[in-house]
Amino acid sequence: AQSVTQLGSHVSVSEGALVLLRCNYSSSVPPYLFWYVQYPNQGLQLLLKYTSAATLVKGINGFEAEFKKSETSFHLTKPSAHMSDAAEYFCAVSFNSGYALNFGKGTSLLVTP
Amino acid sequence: DAMVIQNPRYQVTQFGKPVTLSCSQTLNHNVMYWYQQKSSQAPKLLFHYYDKDFNNEADTPDNFQSRRPNTSFCFLDIRSPGLGDAAMYLCATSGGSSYEQYFGPGTRLTVT
Repeated sequence: AQSVTQLGSHVSVSEGALVLLRCNYSSSVPPYLFWYVQYPNQGLQLLLKYTSAATLVKGINGFEAEFKKSETSFHLTKPSAHMSDAAEYFCAVSFNSGYALNFGKGTSLLVTP
Repeated sequence: DAMVIQNPRYQVTQFGKPVTLSCSQTLNHNVMYWYQQKSSQAPKLLFHYYDKDFNNEADTPDNFQSRRPNTSFCFLDIRSPGLGDAAMYLCATSGGSSYEQYFGPGTRLTVT
């Protein structure tokens, strides 16, 4: 079965600092990995995805993630945090198109001035 | 813009009174999903349609039903809402060779 574990339910960074949100996956087949962002009282928005092409994936809003098979990780980074990045972030895994996503428990990002 | 639309955004219902949440999409995707998300938790899949084929998750309560009359629309029916059913309900779609899901804005259900 495919699953993801997000390390740290809450992460706090200063504005302008590096953002690092951790996600490790478990999968018996090549995984498809996603990062979604959710702002309060809104749906989930796709930040980026890994679908077995380039291991370094660039997404929207300056975010990127690197697929590391040896570490079974797919951590999300952004060089410089902005106040508008404060939100809930979910890592998710799937193993085929048209199938459900298995979400991590989410990481709440707080950005302080 | 192609999108996933959910109505209403906020719904209040009484304990035990049936309620229907709706979702429509202009993406022409063949798969539609319903998720339940409780406060500070990850979305939990209730069921999904692959075209007209209905797929129910094993732990989805019988109180929850769904209908998909055509490609564009999907409904979530809660036959007898309990206080524990208060949550955000998210509709999502996926289709073709894309692996990602596209989410609507959600309907926040309150049960009084």
